[in-house]
Amino acid sequence: AQSVTQLDSQVPVFEEAPVELRCNYSSSVSVYLFWYVQYPNQGLQLLLKYLSGSTLVKGINGFEAEFNKSQTSFHLRKPSVHISDTAEYFCAVSDPPAGRRALTFGSGTRLQVQP
Amino acid sequence: SQTIHQWPATLVQPVGSPLSLECTVEGTSNPNLYWYRQAAGRGLQLLFYSVGIGQISSEVPQNLSASRPQDRQFILSSKKLLLSDSGFYLCAWMGPGLAGGYEQYFGPGTRLTVT
Repeated sequence: AQSVTQLDSQVPVFEEAPVELRCNYSSSVSVYLFWYVQYPNQGLQLLLKYLSGSTLVKGINGFEAEFNKSQTSFHLRKPSVHISDTAEYFCAVSDPPAGRRALTFGSGTRLQVQP
Repeated sequence: SQTIHQWPATLVQPVGSPLSLECTVEGTSNPNLYWYRQAAGRGLQLLFYSVGIGQISSEVPQNLSASRPQDRQFILSSKKLLLSDSGFYLCAWMGPGLAGGYEQYFGPGTRLTVT
């Protein structure tokens, strides 16, 4: 069975500072990996995903993530955060082909950007 | 383009009352559909998924049920709500990603408070 661990439930950071949100997964097969963002009282929006190829994936809003197969990690990074990045971030994993089953989500990390 | 609707947006119901949440998808046919629940301070829990009309798979035993009476309609129901049913309910569908592979697209969610 797959599982996703987001090591930090909350990450406070000052505006314009860099941030890394950590995600580790366990799976017996190769996987697809995703990061979603959720703003208060809204649904989830896809930030980026890793399917194959380059291990460095660039997403929307200046975020990027690096897939590390040996460490089974998919950490999310942004070099300089804004107040508007305050939200909850979810890492998720799916067995390819990702067409028939749901994603397995981590418990989420709340990013709090302070002025 | 595809869109996903959920209603109502918010709902306050007493314990023991029935529940019906509706989700509809536009712009696609034969989608995989999903119901997730997000309890306060917790991640997303998959409740049900459906690969076609009348085909429902339950992930977690509970007092909730789901139905798919039409191709693009997914309904979450309960005969008698419990306090523990409070949460944010998200409907999602699985579709092709813009850069290949598949991704889940989420609706705006329904905030349910059981009193």
